[in-house]
Amino acid sequence: GESVGLHLPTLSVQEGDNSIINCAYSNSASDYFIWYKQESGKGPQFIIDIRSNMDKRQGQRVTVLLNKTVKHLSLQIAATQPGDSAVYFCAERYPGFQKLVFGTGTRLLVSP
Amino acid sequence: SAVISQKPSRDICQRGTSLTIQCQVDSQVTMMFWYRQQPGQSLTLIATANQGSEATYESGFVIDKFPISRPNLTFSTLTVSNMSPEDSSIYLCSAVTSGSINEQFFGPGTRLTVL
Repeated sequence: GESVGLHLPTLSVQEGDNSIINCAYSNSASDYFIWYKQESGKGPQFIIDIRSNMDKRQGQRVTVLLNKTVKHLSLQIAATQPGDSAVYFCAERYPGFQKLVFGTGTRLLVSP
Repeated sequence: SAVISQKPSRDICQRGTSLTIQCQVDSQVTMMFWYRQQPGQSLTLIATANQGSEATYESGFVIDKFPISRPNLTFSTLTVSNMSPEDSSIYLCSAVTSGSINEQFFGPGTRLTVL
């Protein structure tokens, strides 16, 4: 596979556990945030997004929390499965632009 | 959603040569971007590919090194010029489609190794 995520922070969990992946973003004026999942050898895949006027958004098995006070974003994955193993990136969108600025990423390893 | 394809998927090139990467989107696109992902790191935006005009480059990236074309709404190319081993990276194309105001889709990437 590709070498994405070799030097990134790693979170190791057991199958069935809940996972929490954290991200600090840089621009207090960013208006939109996205979590991406990147599997080995593939491009980033959209998971869930949240606008800056919200503090929580839920999807299927995933929840994103936004704390603008401390510029912090988290991704919660319920009942983590081996197929969730990947590198996860948060991204922020600066106001007035469509381009994204990516965080450093976290590698999630799920053991069966 | 949109399907984005890139060619080539990977290549091994000699120092001093150039490689052109192609990106094709299967639906109408409003914006296209090129990113670089160095080994074990996050994604860094190289430039926004503008249709019919010069690309908009981010700090640290210049047109002479990374010329970009976007002749129509759904196709773009990125050239990595005069390559050195430091250019070894994954290069990713992304797009925002007309049907998704916010969601940015990514291609599978082109893995470049420069010897």
